[in-house]
Amino acid sequence: GQQLNQSPQSMFIQEGEDVSMNCTSSSIFNTWLWYKQDPGEGPVLLIALYKAGELTSNGRLTAQFGITRKDSFLNISASIPSDVGIYFCAGHTGNQFYFGTGTSLTVIP
Amino acid sequence: DTAVSQTPKYLVTQMGNDKSIKCEQNLGHDTMYWYKQDSKKFLKIMFSYNNKELIINETVPNRFSPKSPDKAHLNLHINSLELGDSAVYFCASSRVGGYGYTFGSGTRLTVV
Repeated sequence: GQQLNQSPQSMFIQEGEDVSMNCTSSSIFNTWLWYKQDPGEGPVLLIALYKAGELTSNGRLTAQFGITRKDSFLNISASIPSDVGIYFCAGHTGNQFYFGTGTSLTVIP
Repeated sequence: DTAVSQTPKYLVTQMGNDKSIKCEQNLGHDTMYWYKQDSKKFLKIMFSYNNKELIINETVPNRFSPKSPDKAHLNLHINSLELGDSAVYFCASSRVGGYGYTFGSGTRLTVV
């Protein structure tokens, strides 16, 4: 299957700091999604991107669909403790989404 | 009103047993999926059904058999459970096309 690499693999930040993470692939995707997974729960959709170059915000979250269509970026501004979790990117091609390897975020109060 | 509901939430069973996990969605979606999340949190697709028809069947042991009695339900039956089957299994649903998936809260399967 397709391989989507996320970096960093994990992050430990102070409350109030901004966070940046990215997702790269060797394949072109026509849709990018970002999900967050809380412990013991399923992933929840945060942001969906449908066009190359698109920049979309959802509150303190901003995501971008890379121009090459092979990458996507997620930024979280002014992090708070409830931002803790695992963030997954997902790229769509063919008839399914492929998920990234995840970025684990820990916010230290 | 849970959109995608899975039962049970936790399942502990012995090697060699047969078990089933049930999934139901009330979103009116046409497509349903089963994903396996391993200990490293990697999400890997197992199966996908569209209107009760199997459309994705990744390399999964044939001990795993999905069943979709209607487009709102997709159950997963596992025969002869092995230690390596221990993982969290997620059901998800979506509309046809590149729309995001809605996931259930997962079933943590532990084989002892």
